[in-house]
Amino acid sequence: AQKVTQAQTEISVVEKEDVTLDCVYETRDTTYYLFWYKQPPSGELVFLIRRNSFDEQNEISGRYSWNFQKSTSSFNFTITASQVVDSAVYFCALRANFGNEKLTFGTGTRLTIIP
Amino acid sequence: DADVTQTPRNRITKTGKRIMLECSQTKGHDRMYWYRQDPGLGLRLIYYSFDVKDINKGEISDGYSVSRQAQAKFSLSLESAIPNQTALYFCATGGGQETQYFGPGTRLLVL
Repeated sequence: AQKVTQAQTEISVVEKEDVTLDCVYETRDTTYYLFWYKQPPSGELVFLIRRNSFDEQNEISGRYSWNFQKSTSSFNFTITASQVVDSAVYFCALRANFGNEKLTFGTGTRLTIIP
Repeated sequence: DADVTQTPRNRITKTGKRIMLECSQTKGHDRMYWYRQDPGLGLRLIYYSFDVKDINKGEISDGYSVSRQAQAKFSLSLESAIPNQTALYFCATGGGQETQYFGPGTRLLVL
């Protein structure tokens, strides 16, 4: 069975602060994919990043960075110098490699950036 | 133009009515998916399709049916809507190990 846990239900930070969103996953598969999606107030789901289980390199994209650690089954997401436009619900998701079409989503973290 | 489109974007219907949600994609992906989102539950898979002739149930398919009319079109039907089917419905596309890309969603309210 697969499981994704986003323990932080809601986070509020003041604009320009850094914030980290936690994601812990469970899977028995040795090959899998991890994702982050952003859901702004308008409701659509926006793909942010995909990481496969063989690639533990951290990634940075502008103000966004991701820390993947297989040893702790975590795939955390950090926003540096947060902006009001970062306010959204963020979902972490997991997909096994073979025979499983389902993306297992966490319950999401609602991030509010206070101006 | 958006790669994945959904119609309608919002719908209010009454208990017992039949309703169809439509999804079209221009990404050229073979695989298409329907999810529903409920507050506090994340997204759950309803149905998915590998191609026009291959349709599979997801984890919550009861009360729903689908039709894959073409590679680019995948519709979701509620044969007899009930209030607990009130949710935000997403269509997505993907292929193999590729990322799933989501449409803008359809907000459905069943009275």
